[in-house]
Amino acid sequence: DAKTTQPTSMDCAEGRAANLPCNHSTISGNEYVYWYRQIHSQGPQYIIHGLKNNETNEMASLIITEDRKSSTLILPHATLRDTAVYYCIVRNPISGTYKYIFGTGTRLKVLA
Amino acid sequence: GAGVSQSPSNKVTEKGKDVELRCDPISGHTALYWYRQSLGQGLEFLIYFQGNSAPDKSGLPSDRFSAERTGGSVSTLTIQRTQQEDSAVYLCASSLAEALPGETQYFGPGTRLLVL
Repeated sequence: DAKTTQPTSMDCAEGRAANLPCNHSTISGNEYVYWYRQIHSQGPQYIIHGLKNNETNEMASLIITEDRKSSTLILPHATLRDTAVYYCIVRNPISGTYKYIFGTGTRLKVLA
Repeated sequence: GAGVSQSPSNKVTEKGKDVELRCDPISGHTALYWYRQSLGQGLEFLIYFQGNSAPDKSGLPSDRFSAERTGGSVSTLTIQRTQQEDSAVYLCASSLAEALPGETQYFGPGTRLLVL
C-alpha cells in the first residue's frame, strides 16, 4: 500500500514555479522521500530525494516539513517538457528490500 | 552501460504462450528490481535481486511468473502461459549497492507486453 497521497492533477504556466505537494504522515525515522517523474511511454526518471533537510539539485528542490509528514517538490521554472506524472515515494524497508511503493502520482500539465 | 536497458521494447504474444523479458542493469549495480505498470496505473513491485539471489519475491502475481539473474548482472523475467491480464509495461530498475534507504534506483525504458 502506498504511504503517500498526492493531488491527482495540477496545471502550471510555462516559466512559473511548479509546486507539487505530497503527504506522508506515517513516515518513519529511517525512510527517505523520493520523487520520480514519468513522461509518457518512458521509464520513471529520478528527480531528487531527501531525509530531513531540504535538498536542491539541477532539476528541482525538495522541501520537507520539520515533522517530515509532508513535502513539496519545486520545479523553479517549468517548461513544456516537464509535463509528466510525478510520483512521491516513501521507501518501504519491509524485508530489507527497500522497494518503492508507487501511488498514482500527480499529473502535471505545463501550459504554454 | 550508460543506463538500464531492456529488451524487447515491445512484445505481442498470443494467450497461452511463454515470454521472456530481459534486463541489463547499469554496470556494477548489484541490486535489481522488476516492476509492472498496467495501463493508466502506478508501478507495482514484482521481485528484487541482490546479486543472483532474490530475497523478496512477494510481488510476483502467480506461479506463472518467475525471474532469474545470472552473473550478478543480466536478469530475465519469464511469464508462462500468458493471459490477457498480463498485458502491461514491465520495468526494470537497478541500484548501486544492496538495498539501503538512501539508495537511488534507476529505471530502464520498459518492455510493453500485449497478450492477444
